[in-house]
Amino acid sequence: DAGVIQSPRHEVTEMGQEVTLRCKPISGHDYLFWYRQTMMRGLELLIYFNNNVPIDDSGMPEDRFSAKMPNASFSTLKIQPSEPRDSAVYFCASSFATYEQYFGPGTRLTVT
Amino acid sequence: KQEVTQIPAALSVPEGENLVLNCSFTDSAIYNLQWFRQDPGKGLTSLLLIQSSQREQTSGRLNASLDKSSGRSTLYIAASQPGDSATYLCAVADSNYQLIWGAGTKLIIKP
Repeated sequence: DAGVIQSPRHEVTEMGQEVTLRCKPISGHDYLFWYRQTMMRGLELLIYFNNNVPIDDSGMPEDRFSAKMPNASFSTLKIQPSEPRDSAVYFCASSFATYEQYFGPGTRLTVT
Repeated sequence: KQEVTQIPAALSVPEGENLVLNCSFTDSAIYNLQWFRQDPGKGLTSLLLIQSSQREQTSGRLNASLDKSSGRSTLYIAASQPGDSATYLCAVADSNYQLIWGAGTKLIIKP
């Protein structure tokens, strides 16, 4: 398996623009997680899905953030409108049941 | 509220030494504990997962222990190599399988 795939790897956008991050989990995994990592706050769980259903989105910063998982092989994290404080590395991870989480390479987002 | 602490924040040792990284957590009601490695600018790689009923796990030169009653885990690295240089993070899973993260220990192995 190719592991968790994320795109794009880097995104630079201007404040106010819409940003969409994409994730393809490992085939057969039933959990998918979106994290954000910054120097100041470390790793933060934003939202996670089980069998394509959002289970806990309490980590989503505000209404500007939304996530979807239309099927078992694809998820998106959208920020609209983006702000400079959203600049971070966004990771997607997947797992089978409650076993190890496997992380993607991350998307480095810069909002100017 | 669960809190995870990793001390020290940074560690530099000569190549070949054995070393121990520490992780402590405040609530012993955990589902499992994972150790991860993160290289600069890269994602996280899972190293070891210890279920709450287990005491330790081993993989190659790595050995992780878990003492739930004292809220501690250690990651032991034997015969360290420059390629072991990275940030090591521990994370505990609560009953909802959500991971609560430590801030990490940045390890530098000097050749």
